[in-house]
Amino acid sequence: NAGVMQNPRHLVRRRGQEARLRCSPMKGHSHVYWYRQLPEEGLKFMVYLQKENIIDESGMPKERFSAEFPKEGPSILRIQQVVRGDSAAYFCASSPPSSGGGEKLLFGSGTQLSVL
Amino acid sequence: QQQVKQSPQSLIVQKGGISIINCAYENTAFDYFPWYQQFPGKGPALLIAIRPDVSEKKEGRFTISFNKSAKQFSLHIMDSQPGDSATYFCAASRSVSYDKVIFGPGTSLSVIP
Repeated sequence: NAGVMQNPRHLVRRRGQEARLRCSPMKGHSHVYWYRQLPEEGLKFMVYLQKENIIDESGMPKERFSAEFPKEGPSILRIQQVVRGDSAAYFCASSPPSSGGGEKLLFGSGTQLSVL
Repeated sequence: QQQVKQSPQSLIVQKGGISIINCAYENTAFDYFPWYQQFPGKGPALLIAIRPDVSEKKEGRFTISFNKSAKQFSLHIMDSQPGDSATYFCAASRSVSYDKVIFGPGTSLSVIP
């Protein structure tokens, strides 16, 4: 079991392009969380999803950012028309359906997004 | 009220010493307090966690002390080793199904030989 898989590990985009970050949760996990980490800063919550449902998107910027977790396939964090300020490490985490409040949260290795 | 505060921002400890990181929270509904360890280029990994029904939890060299009345909790690393050099995050959440984990800003620990 490979745990939480994120790809790509590194993504370079020019300003105005779209960035798509993928996350495959650990087998058996049905909760997915996305966090953003800026240099020298902590992890900022973005969105919490379950299969086909957005549970909490209170940390998502109102524009350009969207997330989905379809019935089949990985969770996708999509950033449209990227700007330099979007450069950060984006981490996905998953937890099993039996857990509550982020217990047993398992993180992936992250995607480092660089916007030129 | 959702914020978790953490100090110090960075910490240098000699090998064999005790590393202490402190955190504070406001939301009294929080009832799950994990600590995460992150090495460069890696995702955070759960280190140890505590619930407010106990005042202390120990796992090996790592101990969480919890003060419910003061809304504070701390991580103690005994006999610190160079391999402990990493960034440590305290966090908090409510143990209900639909709640997120709120992280502190992190502490960069360097253990020098």
